[in-house]
Amino acid sequence: GAVVSQHPSWVICKSGTSVKIECRSLDFQATTMFWYRQFPKQSLMLMATSNEGSKATYEQGVEKDKFLINHASLTLSTLTVTSAHPEDSSFYICSAKSDRDQETQYFGPGTRLLVL
Amino acid sequence: QKEVEQNSGPLSVPEGAIASLNCTYSDRGSQSFFWYRQYSGKSPELIMFIYSNGDKEDGRFTAQLNKASQYVSLLIRDSQPSDSATYLCAVIFGNEKLTFGTGTRLTIIP
Repeated sequence: GAVVSQHPSWVICKSGTSVKIECRSLDFQATTMFWYRQFPKQSLMLMATSNEGSKATYEQGVEKDKFLINHASLTLSTLTVTSAHPEDSSFYICSAKSDRDQETQYFGPGTRLLVL
Repeated sequence: QKEVEQNSGPLSVPEGAIASLNCTYSDRGSQSFFWYRQYSGKSPELIMFIYSNGDKEDGRFTAQLNKASQYVSLLIRDSQPSDSATYLCAVIFGNEKLTFGTGTRLTIIP
């Protein structure tokens, strides 16, 4: 149980384009999902917290107009990187809290983004 | 600022020995502590969580929590080459957000 999927697993795009990443909880309902970014040899940095049916809460320094988050249902959250630039190239990972266990976060497999 | 600190390593341990990973945190009021394992190029996977002082055992893994000293550790018994990974300590600082340490890279030497 507590499986989280992400799609796509990797994406290469041109600078200036937008990229949408999906995060789904497959066997549980997730009232809260989190989006992280991880640069090489660094730890995970929380970008935003996403609650179903409400606006996401962004961490300091994360541009909400650039990283659009939508949490439209209890099993799906999306992150859209708008007008992507090479410095946005990173490993994006979502996680979800199960409605059965509010303490533990389960991570998706991650999406590797490369902006050319 | 809430912080979680780990020795970045690398930590090299012979196969079959005990690997000991340590983590300290800054907020004395923290209640929830997690250990994640991350293989290169992959996302973290949960190994253990611990909420109470003392030891918690799960198979070859033992988490130890000492709230008075503000540290949490992970012991891996009978280390296997497949245990080679980066181990991330994470703490919830009371606001439901996980704060991660920078991770300790563990290498098990056959």
